[in-house]
Amino acid sequence: EAGVAQSPRYKIIEKRQSVAFWCNPISGHATLYWYQQILGQGPKLLIQFQNNGVVDDSQLPKDRFSAERLKGVDSTLKIQPAKLEDSAVYLCASSLDSMLDEQYFGPGTRLTVT
Amino acid sequence: AQKVTQAQTEISVVEKEDVTLDCVYETRDTTYYLFWYKQPPSGELVFLIRRNSFDEQNEISGRYSWNFQKSTSSFNFTITASQVVDSAVYFCARLTGANNLFFGTGTRLTVIP
Repeated sequence: EAGVAQSPRYKIIEKRQSVAFWCNPISGHATLYWYQQILGQGPKLLIQFQNNGVVDDSQLPKDRFSAERLKGVDSTLKIQPAKLEDSAVYLCASSLDSMLDEQYFGPGTRLTVT
Repeated sequence: AQKVTQAQTEISVVEKEDVTLDCVYETRDTTYYLFWYKQPPSGELVFLIRRNSFDEQNEISGRYSWNFQKSTSSFNFTITASQVVDSAVYFCARLTGANNLFFGTGTRLTVIP
């Protein structure tokens, strides 16, 4: 069974630039999550999709972050414009149905904003 | 605040020693779930266990065991006979009815050969 795929693995941009991350969840998993993990901290949930609908985006800074999950499969997370404090690892995870199910995480995208 | 506290930032043990990772949580909910995840150097978090608030029975899985004590709001994780492959950052997390999985800050475990 293929795991959660993310790309790119690394990205370096200057502040005020835009960036997008892509995630392909495990086949058949209805729920997809994006987390932000700042160095030395635990992951923080940004947004949760179930199929192509948003379940929770209460911690997503909507003035600069956006996410979509078209057709209920792949998802993209965008930051526009980026700030220095957005430097972090962005993790995508998926689970069969809900947060009660085991979440499978991708390797993450390490973003550095200079 | 409903927090998850992992007071141990870093722990080093020599291979074959036992080690316990502490987790203390705060919650106002009567129904909640607790998790442990492992994050090896590759970066991908790996699910270890889920526990609901109504099940205080301790669990053992191979060299891993978990001690859930509601009276002290703790959900500690013990690795017996540690191995180098156990070196990782371990996160405790709490899920409430708000459908938000809230992680602690993690404990970095280094097992020295």
